[in-house]
Amino acid sequence: DTEVTQTPKHLVMGMTNKKSLKCEQHMGHRAMYWYKQKAKKPPELMFVYSYEKLSINESVPSRFSPECPNSSLLNLHLHALQPEDSALYLCASSQEGLTPYNSPLHFGNGTRLTVT
Amino acid sequence: EDQVTQSPEALRLQEGESSSLNCSYTVSGLRGLFWYRQDPGKGPEFLFTLYSAGEEKEKERLKATLTKKESFLHITAPKPEDSATYLCAVQAAGDDKIIFGKGTRLHILP
Repeated sequence: DTEVTQTPKHLVMGMTNKKSLKCEQHMGHRAMYWYKQKAKKPPELMFVYSYEKLSINESVPSRFSPECPNSSLLNLHLHALQPEDSALYLCASSQEGLTPYNSPLHFGNGTRLTVT
Repeated sequence: EDQVTQSPEALRLQEGESSSLNCSYTVSGLRGLFWYRQDPGKGPEFLFTLYSAGEEKEKERLKATLTKKESFLHITAPKPEDSATYLCAVQAAGDDKIIFGKGTRLHILP
């Protein structure tokens, strides 16, 4: 079991639906991330929150909307998605955000999203 | 542009047959190099962080090494449960992004 918990594990949604992915960590980490991973591809960075503020948006379409209510929680709101958005969405956290010191990412097991 | 290249893409070994996975990188100042293991349908599991050339880290049958241009993940006497995709990632100095390589799919045959 990982220390980063993602819900739901699986999600099927239509192109007109609105849904949210949730991520929670209780390790006291101050940076949280959303990654998208397609089959047999590496994770691609979408967003980074550092100390609850959005620090990186990798030019992600506005149909993906991140939210960080507090340092333990991270949401990804989905609206009007396309079938090509189907993927494994991974949440990760790390001990520090924008500091000189590197800290590894700790990943959840992801939400498998299918857009029909 | 920062780049991470892993080789080989896929590797099949017999149980007990030792080998090495390669990760070559080009970054403007390395802040850290990370190795992860990913099982199908799961998130990547952190294995090692390497900070500077010459550094080595070990965990069970795995040993990671780092030079100024590349890192190796040596696997000694592997077992079928070591089968997974191994991902290398780097973080450049002054950057909050972590860039992943495409991974090496390792399959250990019993």
